[in-house]
Amino acid sequence: DVKVTQSSRYLVKRTGEKVFLECVQDMDHENMFWYRQDPGLGLRLIYFSYDVKMKEKGDIPEGYSVSREKKERFSLILESASTNQTSMYLCASSPGDITLRTDTQYFGPGTRLTVL
Amino acid sequence: DQQVKQNSPSLSVQEGRISILNCDYTNSMFDYFLWYKKYPAEGPTFLISISSIKDKNEDGRFTVFLNKSAKHLSLHIVPSQPGDSAVYFCAASEGGSQGNLIFGKGTKLSVKP
Repeated sequence: DVKVTQSSRYLVKRTGEKVFLECVQDMDHENMFWYRQDPGLGLRLIYFSYDVKMKEKGDIPEGYSVSREKKERFSLILESASTNQTSMYLCASSPGDITLRTDTQYFGPGTRLTVL
Repeated sequence: DQQVKQNSPSLSVQEGRISILNCDYTNSMFDYFLWYKKYPAEGPTFLISISSIKDKNEDGRFTVFLNKSAKHLSLHIVPSQPGDSAVYFCAASEGGSQGNLIFGKGTKLSVKP
């Protein structure tokens, strides 16, 4: 079974704080993704990574950065949290072998972040 | 511009009846489609997928139909159960995109006992 874990289920931070969200997958997947989910807006891609130390911007990267120092771990960083970053954050991973079309992404349980 | 559209934000169905969730896409390069199910306060879970070389894929109570000419896919759940009540997301990808999925905004399904 694919397992994707996220460091916290619920997090409350203050405006201006630096926030780290951690994600770990145990299936040796190449690809990892960070999304945020907001009511009526679906899942929006923040950043993704195809390999260690590689990162690519998604649709809404502003205000976020990421780090992938190890294959199994992908961190999302909010350098200075703002109230409009209150959201559900979802991490996902996928095998990433495009020759096999293994595009299926497996998600973690999510982190509900509230910025006050 | 939305490439994957789920035009019904919500759907209510009686237990035991069929649920049909619809999804339209605009990008003709999409060749792989997936459905995810999401309960509140949990991450989405993969439900079923279909490649563009097929027009139907079935897994138990869940069947996905693909109509390439209409750029339309649908998820059928038969029979619907109260535990199926969740938000369903349609997603699509194209070959060479290295696994990036484009998601619809979701349809909230309520199955009433």
